[in-house]
Parts: sequence; structure tokens; C-alpha cells
Amino acid sequence: QKEVEQDPGPLSVPEGAIVSLNCTYSNSAFQYFMWYRQYSRKGPELLMYTYSSGNKEDGRFTAQVDKSSKYISLFIRDSQPSDSATYLCAMRYSNFGNEKLTFGTGTRLTIIP
Amino acid sequence: GAVVSQHPSRVICKSGTSVKIECRSLDFQATTMFWYRQFPKKSLMLMATSNEGSKATYEQGVEKDKFLINHASLTLSTLTVTSAHPEDSSFYICSAPLAEHSYNEQFFGPGTRLTVL
Repeated sequence: QKEVEQDPGPLSVPEGAIVSLNCTYSNSAFQYFMWYRQYSRKGPELLMYTYSSGNKEDGRFTAQVDKSSKYISLFIRDSQPSDSATYLCAMRYSNFGNEKLTFGTGTRLTIIP
Repeated sequence: GAVVSQHPSRVICKSGTSVKIECRSLDFQATTMFWYRQFPKKSLMLMATSNEGSKATYEQGVEKDKFLINHASLTLSTLTVTSAHPEDSSFYICSAPLAEHSYNEQFFGPGTRLTVL
């Protein structure tokens, strides 16, 4: 079983729709959760990160973490064609000396004008 | 935001040659940088952690003699793929945390596409 599972998609939604992207994980020791956006042939770009359970909002993006279910989500409101990209979830432990990120496979998202 | 550059962006080489990839933090210093490998439709796989002034830490299964890492300054880390073979063809990406111990805020380079013929 992979540590982090993410549906690779592809996911296509019409412009203006709400997009829901999700990851599940198996290791309850993960404490920090991130979402990255990656355009084709580019490096990932950090969108936001959260610590432990809860919600965090930044503009049209909302990240949710449910540690009891080992489930994280990213919601994109009022989706736009420029949001078309691959979205990767990532997570890491909190202990010093183990700072590496564990990534999901990424979900390829296309927003249809 | 912070900028990380990589050079070259794309390289094609013959089997058996060595290829050096540079990763630079342009407007901040990075005592630690990370090197990843990404296959199509696969997740980013951490290869090694590059530490300025000391030896790199390699992930399990990554050959340190195959993938040489040098972090000679606070703004530059290099990855050398030695005696490259077609199975080494991949997208190599580096990242650096914005500040020491600020590992949640990592900035990634644009990646280097390596093709070994």
C-alpha cells in the first residue's frame, strides 16, 4: 500500500464549477499537509499548507484535513481555465531531522471554458 | 516569491556519458536542497537531501555513486548522473526550503528533462 494515495484523473470540469481534489494516507504520523500545482513541464508550485486537522482558506482555494479519516481535500471555487494543471498533495512528519515530503501521484485537472 | 532555477532545462546525451544538473536558489540561501525524480503519471520521488558543506543523505534504493551530489555553496547544489543509461531518462527536480527548518515552504526549480539515448 502506498503511503499517499491520489486519484490521477484526468478530471474535467466546466469553468465556474467547484473542484474537489482529494488524497488519503496511511501513516497517522504525518502532521503537515501541502498542496502543490504543477503546470506541464514545470516544477511544482506551493499553493498552501496546513498543520494537523482543520480548514485553511486562501482566495478561491480551501484546504481541509481530517486526520481521523486520514483524508485531505483541496477545493477550488469559481474554477478558471488557468487552474488547469496537475495538483499534487504532499505531507511530512513533524520531527526534526525527517523533513522530507511524501507526494501523491497528482491529479490532472482540466477546466473547460 | 522565492526563485529556484535549474540548468539545463533539457539535455539529451549518449549512454555512458555523465550529465551535471545545477540547482540554484536565486534570492535566498539554502543550507538544504532536495533532489527529486518524476516519472510520467507518477509521484515525485525523493532521491536525496543535499546539505551545504557536508555529505548528501540518500534515500533507500538510490545509488550514491550513480547520482553524485555536491552542495558547495549556500545557493548551489549539483546532481551528476554518472555513466547515464536509458533507464536514467526522467524529469529531475530540485527544491529548497525558504528558510532553515521552514520545510513546509519549499520552492521547486523548473526541472530538467534528461533523455539518454
